[in-house]
Amino acid sequence: EVQLLESGGGLIQPGGSLRLSCAASGFTFSTYAMSWVRQAPGKGLEWVSTIGGSDDRTYYPDSVKGRFIISRDDSENTLYLQMNSLRGEDTAVYYCAKVRRAYDVDFDHWGQGTLVTVSS
Amino acid sequence: EIVLTQSPATLSLSPGERATLSCRASQSVSSYLAWYQQKPGQAPSLLIYDASNRATGIPARFSGSGSGTDFTLTISSLEPEDFAVYYCQQRSVWPPITFGQGTRLEI
Repeated sequence: EVQLLESGGGLIQPGGSLRLSCAASGFTFSTYAMSWVRQAPGKGLEWVSTIGGSDDRTYYPDSVKGRFIISRDDSENTLYLQMNSLRGEDTAVYYCAKVRRAYDVDFDHWGQGTLVTVSS
Repeated sequence: EIVLTQSPATLSLSPGERATLSCRASQSVSSYLAWYQQKPGQAPSLLIYDASNRATGIPARFSGSGSGTDFTLTISSLEPEDFAVYYCQQRSVWPPITFGQGTRLEI
């Protein structure tokens, strides 16, 4: 059974940094691209980043490019999101999501999410 | 960036009725469109990928159709557990991956 367990969320001041983790199990982690998707309170879904499975290429939308860094440790089956220069609009539940197949970037498994609140 | 517009924003139906949800893309996404269901307090779950393929374990009452710019998610006979928010998502031209704004299906 695929399981994704996020951690690392919390309350952080504007301009601060936070690192999220996602522990994966139940599949061959190293062979799948992985992503982060966020959801602001009461709002819709927003794609945040994707990292390749075999090539570790990374992708971001303009809203987080240059501030967020996605990475992975295949030896630990763990996905990370380093978030820097945080803003109020980054407040959201952050979901770790497994990409269905190669670079067919839709998401067949999701974690339960971790809440990040950016506020002074 | 491809913009996905879902309609209606809210759909009010009763159990047993047929639901038809729409997703329109600002430019062609071929068949590279997925649908997700999200219940309150839960993560989204994949229903349909590549416009018409049901994900593993998804009941046959859920079906997807369309290509190019116009897509439909149909629930043939609503069960009580189907009342949720539904999102479409495209992977045709990315980055960025984009989602629609969601349709709330309410009783």
